[in-house]
Amino acid sequence: GAGVSQSPSNKVTEKGKDVELRCDPISGHTALYWYRQSLGQGLEFLIYFQGNSAPDKSGLPSDRFSAERTGGSVSTLTIQRTQQEDSAVYLCASSLGAINLGVDTQYFGPGTRLTVL
Amino acid sequence: AQSVTQLGSHVSVSEGALVLLRCNYSSSVPPYLFWYVQYPNQGLQLLLKYTTGATLVKGINGFEAEFKKSETSFHLTKPSAHMSDAAEYFCAVSDSGTYKYIFGTGTRLKVLA
Repeated sequence: GAGVSQSPSNKVTEKGKDVELRCDPISGHTALYWYRQSLGQGLEFLIYFQGNSAPDKSGLPSDRFSAERTGGSVSTLTIQRTQQEDSAVYLCASSLGAINLGVDTQYFGPGTRLTVL
Repeated sequence: AQSVTQLGSHVSVSEGALVLLRCNYSSSVPPYLFWYVQYPNQGLQLLLKYTTGATLVKGINGFEAEFKKSETSFHLTKPSAHMSDAAEYFCAVSDSGTYKYIFGTGTRLKVLA
């Protein structure tokens, strides 16, 4: 079946502009995650959605970052007033969300490469 | 707090040689451990995972890893490297019952002809 998809694959923007990044999770997956991958760094957790529960936003680096998930499926990560340090690859992952059944494997999308000039 | 350390940000091996990528973790509870691979301009793909049971875990593409609790390690190995193995490899840890993965900083594997 289809995996996690993300759009756009590349985004170049000017400093100060707002950007929206989209993630389509695997059908039936109730959990959705956003990560940021900066050059030479590991993956930095940003936000986690699980079903209808309040999201875990503990990883968002500033109030310029926000995310929503409509209808329990598609998610949008919005970065307002972009800065050059926001340049990175933004990865989305989804999982079944069945934590109570043990490990809940995350499946990743191809990412969106954001470049802020 | 959990953490993951991957020794060596870059590893080079000759084609046909043993691949050994190191991962050490810290966790206050029995962990779940993962290895992911990332090919250029692609997302992360799960190679293998350890949850419970057998400590030697076999994954895709001939890779395997062994969970050693006494050494808090989960090193990734492959007996014979192939050119197509060139990629970046990430180790991750998750406490059982939680959704948060902590990732290492990655090891870029180069395979020399």
